[in-house]
Amino acid sequence: KNEVEQSPQNLTAQEGEFITINCSYSVGISALHWLQQHPGGGIVSLFMLSSGKKKHGRLIATINIQEKHSSLHITASHPRDSAVYICAVYGGSQGNLIFGKGTKLSVKP
Amino acid sequence: DAGVIQSPRHEVTEMGQEVTLRCKPISGHDYLFWYRQTMMRGLELLIYFNNNVPIDDSGMPEDRFSAKMPNASFSTLKIQPSEPRDSAVYFCASSPLNRAEKLFFGSGTQLSVL
Repeated sequence: KNEVEQSPQNLTAQEGEFITINCSYSVGISALHWLQQHPGGGIVSLFMLSSGKKKHGRLIATINIQEKHSSLHITASHPRDSAVYICAVYGGSQGNLIFGKGTKLSVKP
Repeated sequence: DAGVIQSPRHEVTEMGQEVTLRCKPISGHDYLFWYRQTMMRGLELLIYFNNNVPIDDSGMPEDRFSAKMPNASFSTLKIQPSEPRDSAVYFCASSPLNRAEKLFFGSGTQLSVL
């Protein structure tokens, strides 16, 4: 079993839809990252959170430490949101990021 | 700041050749990470440095891989000899001393070993 599980693996949405991507992890963590990887390959860190909720524009990330679960929400989705979204957690050692396999999102106009 | 700079963007080489990937982190960032991304395994940490010192290299696949950080503004990842299974995208990332800050990734090096 992978230590970081994301769902769904693939997601197709219509422009304007509300989108949720889920991340569950089995290890104790100190923090969790949400990353965005565009078709060109570049990776951008969207959020790093260790509790509660963070919001940036149309993106909202939440984490429930007790349930070992995080969600990334996108409101009013747009085709430019099409990307792979990757959840990553800080495991035991400080630099040891454990990555999920990613969720490929396609937003159709 | 120009961000994390990696070179080359693409590298095509033949099996057995030496490959050197380069990374310039963001100035002032004390942590530097090397990651590898493949279709099968996704993103994996290879090694990371703190203040130019290697802290955890447990992700380095085997002795053919080596990484150095001779100063705060430069790091290399070397594969010698290269093998086709090393084909992947290699990312370098840096972050400030405070881990509560975000990770900043380079644009990656697409390596193809024929």
